[in-house]
Amino acid sequence: AQRVTQPEKLLSVFKGAPVELKCNYSYSGSPELFWYVQYSRQRLQLLLRHISRESIKGFTADLNKGETSFHLKKPFAQEEDSAMYYCALTSKAAGNKLTFGGGTRVLVKP
Amino acid sequence: DTGVSQNPRHKITKRGQNVTFRCDPISEHNRLYWYRQTLGQGPEFLTYFQNEAQLEKSRLLSDRFSAERPKGSFSTLEIQRTEQGDSAMYLCASSFRAGGTPNEKLFFGSGTQLSVL
Repeated sequence: AQRVTQPEKLLSVFKGAPVELKCNYSYSGSPELFWYVQYSRQRLQLLLRHISRESIKGFTADLNKGETSFHLKKPFAQEEDSAMYYCALTSKAAGNKLTFGGGTRVLVKP
Repeated sequence: DTGVSQNPRHKITKRGQNVTFRCDPISEHNRLYWYRQTLGQGPEFLTYFQNEAQLEKSRLLSDRFSAERPKGSFSTLEIQRTEQGDSAMYLCASSFRAGGTPNEKLFFGSGTQLSVL
């Protein structure tokens, strides 16, 4: 079975400070990892996926298969980064469905 | 095309009643997913379709839940004999899958908030 754990329910940081959202997963095969974000009064939307190795809105995430982690990082948080962030996992063997973590609320204070 | 559309936005019903939700995906998307989200939790997979075929159904989904996508376009999710534990946000998402690698982007709707009294 696949599982995603986000240990922090809330992260509160000051504007300009670094922010790191932790995500750990359990899956023995070859997972595909994603970060989804939900801003206030908006829909859940894709932020980034590990296969693309992209940086979106200053965020990056590195898949560490040894530690089974996919932490999301941004060196200088902005107020507009305040949102709910969900780490998610899928794989071909798991039938393609996304398994989400419980989410981390990020609050960036001025 | 304004993205994935879900109706109604809110539904209040009494325990034991049946409810039906509708999802209109982005028109060229061949995959459609249903998720459920309760307060403080991430979305939980319910079922998904490729075109009109329902390919997977969560084992957590009771027999009271049924979903259809009759012509490979819109989908409906019906809950029969609702229970208070069914109260949740029901999310629909769509995507275009080409090939076998499951890394496509899902586009979510705004959801239907169900309250069972």
